[in-house]
Amino acid sequence: QVQLQESGPGLVKPSQTLSLTCTVSGASISSGTYSWSWIRQPAGNGLEWIGHIYTSGGTKYNPSLKSRVTMSRDTSKNQFSLELNSVTAADTAVYYCARIPDYDTFTGYYNVIDFWGQGTLVTVSS
Amino acid sequence: QSALTQPPSASGTPGQTVTISCSGSSSNIGTNYVYWYQQLPGTAPKLLIHRNNQRPSGVPDRFSGSKSGTSASLAISDLRSDDEADYYCAAWDDSLSGPVFGGGTKLTVL
Repeated sequence: QVQLQESGPGLVKPSQTLSLTCTVSGASISSGTYSWSWIRQPAGNGLEWIGHIYTSGGTKYNPSLKSRVTMSRDTSKNQFSLELNSVTAADTAVYYCARIPDYDTFTGYYNVIDFWGQGTLVTVSS
Repeated sequence: QSALTQPPSASGTPGQTVTISCSGSSSNIGTNYVYWYQQLPGTAPKLLIHRNNQRPSGVPDRFSGSKSGTSASLAISDLRSDDEADYYCAAWDDSLSGPVFGGGTKLTVL
């Protein structure tokens, strides 16, 4: 069974950089037919895709956050990471890491998230 | 403003069937699979339906999904009190090259 676990500071000051790591067990982030994603959910609100990293190491970011986001990975630890710079109170949210299966080669249809981490609350405040 | 449109709330009594709708466009639901998630307070979303109408192992057959054109729906039959939760639909968006979500539907069991 695939498991994902987020870790990182729960409090970040405005204008600083939010850094989170996701540790994956039960699957390899550098092989297979999946990409590895970050999603966030502000309190009382819906879900927003931040970006994902492919097994190749390539990345794709949400255009609304692209200028502030960097995702990376450490394949030796089977971990991938998120950095979001210049944070404001609007970045306060529960951050989830997640797995996305690749598109269906038979139908051409893309999939979305099948496994989620438990989430970690990050508060931006001085 | 979410890319997928869901009703903000739904309700039913125990034993009833409730249906939650999800409306999108040709760049998401129209050309990709729809997924549904259940989120209990303080927990991560849990996968309920994948690939439009497939249930992962362990999800009761009271939950069913369907898709037609650019819309999808989740039906919950034989409603139980522990079905009270927020329900989200999601689909890949070809324009975004990433997943988009509905705003969520809060289900109340009266």
